[in-house]
Order: sequence, then C-alpha cells, then structure tokens
Amino acid sequence: DAGVIQSPRHEVTEMGQEVTLRCKPISGHNSLFWYRQTMMRGLELLIYFNNNVPIDDSGMPEDRFSAKMPNASFSTLKIQPSEPRDSAVYFCASSPGLNFDTQYFGPGTRLTVL
Amino acid sequence: KNEVEQSPQNLTAQEGEFITINCSYSVGISALHWLQQHPGGGIVSLFMLSSGKKKHGRLIATINIQEKHSSLHITASHPRDSAVYICAVSNFGNEKLTFGTGTRLTIIP
Repeated sequence: DAGVIQSPRHEVTEMGQEVTLRCKPISGHNSLFWYRQTMMRGLELLIYFNNNVPIDDSGMPEDRFSAKMPNASFSTLKIQPSEPRDSAVYFCASSPGLNFDTQYFGPGTRLTVL
Repeated sequence: KNEVEQSPQNLTAQEGEFITINCSYSVGISALHWLQQHPGGGIVSLFMLSSGKKKHGRLIATINIQEKHSSLHITASHPRDSAVYICAVSNFGNEKLTFGTGTRLTIIP
C-alpha cells in the first residue's frame, strides 16, 4: 500500500492567492483528517470526515479555509485568500474509521505564504 | 476540552540509556496515541492504547486510566530514536485527537 498521499509536498505562494492542498487516503479507510502544524501551536486538527461527510470542522480557523471530500479516495483543503500566518505544515491522515483506530499520516505539505 | 501535557519538553541522553517520556491528560478518554515525528517531518503512529501496556521492539507504552497518565519507554536507546514524541488523546464518541506539545529526544552516540 502506498500510504496516505499528499500533494504538493511544498508550496510557496503570495499573500492573497488561492491555495489547494490534496490528499488521497489509504484505500478502504473511512475517516480522513486534516491537521496543521506550526512552531507556536503544535499539531491541531482542522477538520475530519467519516464516510466522506464532515463530522467536526471546529478547528477550521476561519471562512478562508474550506475542505471537501467528494469521494472516498480524494480530499482537498483550500485557503482563499491565503495570508502569511497560514504558513505551516499541513498533514492529512486516514484511519479505518472505527473507534480506537490508529491514524496513518501523510508526508505533509509545507506551505509558505509570502 | 482535554488538556494534554507532556514532560519533559526536551531530553538528551547517551546511547544505551533507558528513556521515559510522560503524558497526562485532564478528562477521561477513549484512547491514547503515541506518535513519533522524525527530523524530516514525517509522523508515524507508534501505539494506540486504552488500557494496560503495549510493547513493540524496544518501545513500551503504558497507561493508567485512573491516574490519567501514560508513559512511553525506550530501552537501549539509539541515536536513530532521536525524534519528537507526541502524545494525543481521543474522547469518547469522537475520533478527534487532542495533542500534547511533544518531547524532543536526542540520543548522543
């Protein structure tokens, strides 16, 4: 299994531009998670989906952030417009979806907003 | 909201030493996770446990539900164990993880 796949691995953009991060979960996993990691705040959950439905988006910082999961094998996290304070590493993780399940993390996307 | 605290924040030890990293949380949980983040940034799940003890190679994780406390032990530590170790908890009825701030471990040859 290829594991969780994220793209791009690195993204540099200018303030005000739209940024789209992509994630392909492990096949057969029913839950998908988007996390953000910064030096100041550590790892934070942004949103998670179960069976393609958003379950908890309380971690999404503001309306500039949106996430979709149109099918079981693909999810996007979009930031529009981007700001320098959005610079962070964004991780996607998936799990089989039952309680007490291990989460498998992707390699992350390092986003830099200038 | 569950508060998750780890100690120590930083730990430097000599190769071969026995390592202990601690994690405490404030509210009852359904499961506790130990994650390892390598210097390159990748995150690997080491353990998920809800009671007792688990062992994988030189790593041992224990949890005391009554005391709301978990420990991660590394026996015969090696420089390749150098990483940030993160504790995370999930609450009943929810897969959402709340993370500790991590413990940065450095093993010197």
